[in-house]
Amino acid sequence: SYELTQPPSVSVSPGQTARITCSGDALPKKYAYWYQQKSGQAPVLVIYEDSKRPSGIPERFSGSSSGTMATLTISGAQVEDEADYYCYSTDSSGNHRGVFGGGTKLTVL
Amino acid sequence: QITLKESGPTLVKPTQTLTLTCTFSGFSLSTSGVGVGWIRQPPGKALEWLALIYWDDDKRYSPSLKSRLTITKDTSKNQVVLTMTNMDPVDTATYYCAHVTEYVFDYWGQGTLVTVSS
Repeated sequence: SYELTQPPSVSVSPGQTARITCSGDALPKKYAYWYQQKSGQAPVLVIYEDSKRPSGIPERFSGSSSGTMATLTISGAQVEDEADYYCYSTDSSGNHRGVFGGGTKLTVL
Repeated sequence: QITLKESGPTLVKPTQTLTLTCTFSGFSLSTSGVGVGWIRQPPGKALEWLALIYWDDDKRYSPSLKSRLTITKDTSKNQVVLTMTNMDPVDTATYYCAHVTEYVFDYWGQGTLVTVSS
């Protein structure tokens, strides 16, 4: 079955740039999406279609995708950005079934 | 304003069938391109995509759970129902429903914790 691979954890100091990667064989043909999940809360979409930002999401959140890797970048990470981040995409079988990455715990301290 | 809310039992016994209902407002499941999906998250673990249903009754299921899942919609009631058969303790998780546009979950419910235990 199709898998998306993320690093388990990323740690940065406040004000630094955090980069979270997501690798998957179908990413050259399929969009990547990114969700932020804070403790005890439902996930929130922060990036869609590789690099687009929903309204209300701070400009410090950006996304990119190249080849089999998508990247979520948080420029000038804030303490409130500490959360779990999940990449999401669909498989390339044509069945449009979704898959989430294993999640990355971002620590900002 | 789009809102979704999950409802169903908080405790089920092993081998039982789980039935969860997603009641939503702010959109119609008869609108072209719109769908509702289900995602779960075991305690302390990652999100897992389960199933989704579109406005035209097109249904998609996780390959690993397909034999146990059924998703249906009642457009007049603004509800989507997910059933999962033969529940096991490993199915203990928070179950979320979410609004789908272009294959992406853009609005989520608050989630409901389901525990499987005898």
